[in-house]
Amino acid sequence: KAGVTQTPRYLIKTRGQQVTLSCSPISGHRSVSWYQQTPGQGLQFLFEYFSETQRNKGNFPGRFSGRQFSNSRSEMNVSTLELGDSALYLCASSVTGNANTEAFFGQGTRLTVV
Amino acid sequence: QQQVKQSPQSLIVQKGGISIINCAYENTAFDYFPWYQQFPGKGPALLIAIRPDVSEKKEGRFTISFNKSAKQFSLHIMDSQPGDSATYFCAASMLNGAGNKLTFGGGTRVLVKP
Repeated sequence: KAGVTQTPRYLIKTRGQQVTLSCSPISGHRSVSWYQQTPGQGLQFLFEYFSETQRNKGNFPGRFSGRQFSNSRSEMNVSTLELGDSALYLCASSVTGNANTEAFFGQGTRLTVV
Repeated sequence: QQQVKQSPQSLIVQKGGISIINCAYENTAFDYFPWYQQFPGKGPALLIAIRPDVSEKKEGRFTISFNKSAKQFSLHIMDSQPGDSATYFCAASMLNGAGNKLTFGGGTRVLVKP
């Protein structure tokens, strides 16, 4: 069974640009969550999608957005990139998205903003 | 506001020793507490989880202890092995919360010396 796939693995972008990251969940998983991981702030929740609907959102500015497609694949977009957006972006999928169902994480996309 | 505080930030233990990581939470609405293990270049992976109606849960060499009144929980790694060298994150979420939103502690880097 394939795991959670995130593409691309690495990205270098210039300040002010926008970026789109992709996440393919495990087959049969309908919930996809996104997290930002930085050395200073640790792992922080961005948002969660289930059946194409955003159910929960973290405390991030509106520059961070996401969506989920009918096949459960998800994308997140960051517009007007800032240096502080440099981070490892992780997505996690689970069957239902309920708190007590295991969330499986991908390897992440390493975004560097220069 | 850091809702889940984790300590220590790092620890070194000899092979065969016991690693102990502590977490404290503030939000009494949290009712599900998973621990994640992360190796370099990989996403976090669920290790073990506990609910507050249980004071202790053991899976192999990993044990979670939970103190609801103190709002604290801890991970004990018995007979630590070099392969356990990783970063460990405690987390908390609400079973009845919308979507799978995990609030993570800051992480503990564990190094097991052979």
